[in-house]
Amino acid sequence: DAGVIQSPRHEVTEMGQEVTLRCKPISGHNSLFWYRQTMMRGLELLIYFNNNVPIDDSGMPEDRFSAKMPNASFSTLKIQPSEPRDSAVYFCASSYSGTGGTGELFFGEGSRLTVL
Amino acid sequence: KQEVTQIPAALSVPEGENLVLNCSFTDSAIYNLQWFRQDPGKGLTSLLLIQSSQREQTSGRLNASLDKSSGRSTLYIAASQPGDSATYLCAVRPGAGNMLTFGGGTRLMVKP
Repeated sequence: DAGVIQSPRHEVTEMGQEVTLRCKPISGHNSLFWYRQTMMRGLELLIYFNNNVPIDDSGMPEDRFSAKMPNASFSTLKIQPSEPRDSAVYFCASSYSGTGGTGELFFGEGSRLTVL
Repeated sequence: KQEVTQIPAALSVPEGENLVLNCSFTDSAIYNLQWFRQDPGKGLTSLLLIQSSQREQTSGRLNASLDKSSGRSTLYIAASQPGDSATYLCAVRPGAGNMLTFGGGTRLMVKP
């Protein structure tokens, strides 16, 4: 099992640029989560999808952030335009929630974003 | 609103000690509780998952217990090793819905 795969692992960009983070969940999982981690605020849930449908995006900081899940094996988190305060590690996680599922959450290695 | 607290925030122990990390939560209507480990610059690795109907789970030198009625879970690490040094986080999944609530973590350092 390849686990949750995220790309890029590191991204350095300038303020105002568009940033796209990508995630491939574990095959068979039906829930996908995007988290952001900073020293100041810890781990924050941004948005989560169930069966490719966004269920709760109340954690998305503002309209500059958007997330999509066009199919069960791919999701993107986009920031446009990016700002220095968006600098953080962004994690994608997935789980299987359904009959016979434990709901155990598995994380990717994260995408470290630095906005100059 | 569920709140999850981990105490202590940081812990330093000599190698070989048995230690206990604590996690408390305010709403006992949970589906499960999960313990994670995070190494610097890495993602979160799932250690143990306890369903709400269970009292404990064990994996190697790790044992996690759950007391729903008192809103507490403990992670017991036996015979600690320097390789156990990491941040340990607990997360609670509610009875309804998928959104986990994370504690702030305990940063553990095991000195040789």
